[in-house]
Amino acid sequence: AQRVTQPEKLLSVFKGAPVELKCNYSYSGSPELFWYVQYSRQRLQLLLRHISRESIKGFTADLNKGETSFHLKKPFAQEEDSAMYYCALFIQGAQKLVFGQGTRLTINP
Amino acid sequence: DGGITQSPKYLFRKEGQNVTLSCEQNLNHDAMYWYRQDPGQGLRLIYYSQIVNDFQKGDIAEGYSVSREKKESFPLTVTSAQKNPTAFYLCASSILNSRSGANVLTFGAGSRLTVL
Repeated sequence: AQRVTQPEKLLSVFKGAPVELKCNYSYSGSPELFWYVQYSRQRLQLLLRHISRESIKGFTADLNKGETSFHLKKPFAQEEDSAMYYCALFIQGAQKLVFGQGTRLTINP
Repeated sequence: DGGITQSPKYLFRKEGQNVTLSCEQNLNHDAMYWYRQDPGQGLRLIYYSQIVNDFQKGDIAEGYSVSREKKESFPLTVTSAQKNPTAFYLCASSILNSRSGANVLTFGAGSRLTVL
């Protein structure tokens, strides 16, 4: 089955601490993975995608095919990082995007 | 101003009534999607369309219907058959591209439906 799992519904860390949001996937093909973010009162938007191997707002995510994971990391959390984060998998054959359950990240001052 | 426009932003419906949510995009995107967002359940795909006059069921299509008569429009009808319609509905669009990494979705602001 094609599935994305985000095991943590809620995650709370202090400002300046490292943060890691977990994402695991199940997919028989070559995965195309994304992280989307929804800040308060804003639209859901793309944060980063694994194919670009980029760092956005200090966040990075590495695809680990052996562990079927795509965890999102940031070494030093900032208050403005508080948001809802979704991991997503693009299903090539069906041409559709499947989302995980989401993790609400709260950065405490 | 390019983007996706969803209307209405808030909608109230009595049980037994059908309601249609509008989604319009001026991005010239090929594909359009409808998702339902519920707390703790993430985004679940209702319907999607890759081309005019064609659409596919997503994971939770029961009780919903769509049409794609124009490239820029993809309205969603929530019918009385939908058992739990109160939710936040998100429309999205994307360019269809076989090149890996190009399948990025642009989202609308959403429509919140409440059934009284």
